[in-house]
Amino acid sequence: AQTVTQSQPEMSVQEAETVTLSCTYDTSESDYYLFWYKQPPSRQMILVIRQEAYKQQNATENRFSVNFQKAAKSFSLKISDSQLGDAAMYFCASVNYGGATNKLIFGTGTLLAVQP
Amino acid sequence: ETGVTQSPTHLIKTRGQQVTLRCSSQSGHNTVSWYQQALGQGPQFIFQYYREEENGRGNFPPRFSGLQFPNYSSELNVNALELDDSALYLCASSLDRRNYGYTFGSGTRLTVV
Repeated sequence: AQTVTQSQPEMSVQEAETVTLSCTYDTSESDYYLFWYKQPPSRQMILVIRQEAYKQQNATENRFSVNFQKAAKSFSLKISDSQLGDAAMYFCASVNYGGATNKLIFGTGTLLAVQP
Repeated sequence: ETGVTQSPTHLIKTRGQQVTLRCSSQSGHNTVSWYQQALGQGPQFIFQYYREEENGRGNFPPRFSGLQFPNYSSELNVNALELDDSALYLCASSLDRRNYGYTFGSGTRLTVV
């Protein structure tokens, strides 16, 4: 069974500093995608970054980057130069590639606070 | 291009009633998935529709049912509402069932009293 675990219910960071959110996952499949989503109070899930498991290079999107450790099944998100607008709930998620149903499996989330 | 639109945004229902939630998928997307997000939790997969057919279901009872229409919009129906059904219901569309770019709506907040 697919599982995603986020062990940090809450995190806090000073504006302009760097923060890392942790995520571990488990899957029996060899091909899968991993995601970080941001959910602000507006409730809409917004894609932050996506990683294909077959790619060894860590994905980056501007101030957001991941540390993907496939053997350890770890997928952490680093936010550099944190901004007030980064404050939100962050969810790690996975989906098995090529399955009949492309359902996302989410973790329980990490609430990120950004202090001015 | 338009994104995913869900209606209504908020809803209050009484235990035992029935409810219908609606989702308009992003233009060009033929696959719609529904998720239930209880307070303080991550979203849980309810089911997925691909080209008007159910294409997978999570661990939810049969009183959760759905439809997808020829224009790929979708409905989630919940019968015999229970207090534990109170949650945010999210709809996500994707280009195809094998495409992993999801667009989420802002959800419907359902409160069962």
